[in-house]
Amino acid sequence: GAVVSQHPSWVICKSGTSVKIECRSLDFQATTMFWYRQFPKQSLMLMATSNEGSKATYEQGVEKDKFLINHASLTLSTLTVTSAHPEDSSFYICSASEGTNEQYFGPGTRLTVT
Amino acid sequence: QKEVEQNSGPLSVPEGAIASLNCTYSDRGSQSFFWYRQYSGKSPELIMSIYSNGDKEDGRFTAQLNKASQYVSLLIRDSQPSDSATYLCAVRNQGAQKLVFGQGTRLTINP
Repeated sequence: GAVVSQHPSWVICKSGTSVKIECRSLDFQATTMFWYRQFPKQSLMLMATSNEGSKATYEQGVEKDKFLINHASLTLSTLTVTSAHPEDSSFYICSASEGTNEQYFGPGTRLTVT
Repeated sequence: QKEVEQNSGPLSVPEGAIASLNCTYSDRGSQSFFWYRQYSGKSPELIMSIYSNGDKEDGRFTAQLNKASQYVSLLIRDSQPSDSATYLCAVRNQGAQKLVFGQGTRLTINP
């Protein structure tokens, strides 16, 4: 099956700093990547959809200036959480698909903001 | 009405029995249907995809789709304790890129 990696797998940062999370498709070309957030015991929440070379489309209520998404190549997308605060602490998961095929998830990044 | 609905459970099934997970969706134009498994603290893992009416089998898993009734189900035969997880139903509507997820059903297989 298709493999998606994320880096780092966990990160602790201080309030007010920025954190970058990378998402890579290892064995296929990810024309579309998605970023999700999941709080404990809650369901997945889609944050944004990004197509390679285009600006990301953010879901309602997600601040695009706070969560910067870049999808510069067919194998890499990044999510930068700017000026992180404790309420941004969550499990961030990316997924990727080639065209309208199946969507494969990365292993997730656990962010803790102190 | 939610776009994709699942019984949140928990659903308890004895080891070796068949676990049946159900999902209904509201958009008649939905074209693609997926089942994901998510272990606690981990990201979702794709188990099955189904695009046309009928059954699709893969090992111990069978996905069933009935577009007329707008439901999709997942059967797990010979359930094992390792099948204990939350199962997410996801639907892609016509013309859309993103998936719409149900709330998930928590399944527990009892030894």
